[in-house]
Amino acid sequence: RKEVEQDPGPFNVPEGATVAFNCTYSNSASQSFFWYRQDCRKEPKLLMSVYSSGNEDGRFTAQLNRASQYISLLIRDSKLSDSATYLCAVSPYGGSQGNLIFGKGTKLSVKP
Amino acid sequence: DGGITQSPKYLFRKEGQNVTLSCEQNLNHDAMYWYRQDPGQGLRLIYYSQIVNDFQKGDIAEGYSVSREKKESFPLTVTSAQKNPTAFYLCASRLTQGQEAFFGQGTRLTVV
Repeated sequence: RKEVEQDPGPFNVPEGATVAFNCTYSNSASQSFFWYRQDCRKEPKLLMSVYSSGNEDGRFTAQLNRASQYISLLIRDSKLSDSATYLCAVSPYGGSQGNLIFGKGTKLSVKP
Repeated sequence: DGGITQSPKYLFRKEGQNVTLSCEQNLNHDAMYWYRQDPGQGLRLIYYSQIVNDFQKGDIAEGYSVSREKKESFPLTVTSAQKNPTAFYLCASRLTQGQEAFFGQGTRLTVV
């Protein structure tokens, strides 16, 4: 099993739709979790950190499920500008604490 | 302005040549990272460093070398031993383990 896995998509959704992405991780003792957004040919930019209690930022909601070892990102009322690739990142626990591992990303395309 | 600066933005290398990619940050971050991204792929970790004069290999370190002589700087050398170096190289830093990471704008390396 890969350390961090995401459905590559693409997810093609109409404007206004709600879309959800999952990201599974293999190290049950992982400490920190993040969602990044990457536009074509650009660097990834932090979208939000994922806290144990879940967190929300406007139309975006992130949740952590430690029992099933996944994090999720929910986007409500999708906009054309949400079209991008969404990457999850996980910080392992233990000997490689400094490491930061990314999934391959999920591509989202929002259509008019 | 605080941030992470990568240079150059585009780099062309002849086969058999070593090239060095620059990464500088003025965020006072302890940890720095180098990732490689191939078209349509996720980020793969090359090297990371949690402290000056110390660094660890990531998943694809072969054919690359790094140094961390100063907190602000983490240059990456792509050696002639790297057989397929054409890719998008991203440098990132974070304050400490467990915190979110921030990226530079990346360097696109092409072997000609």
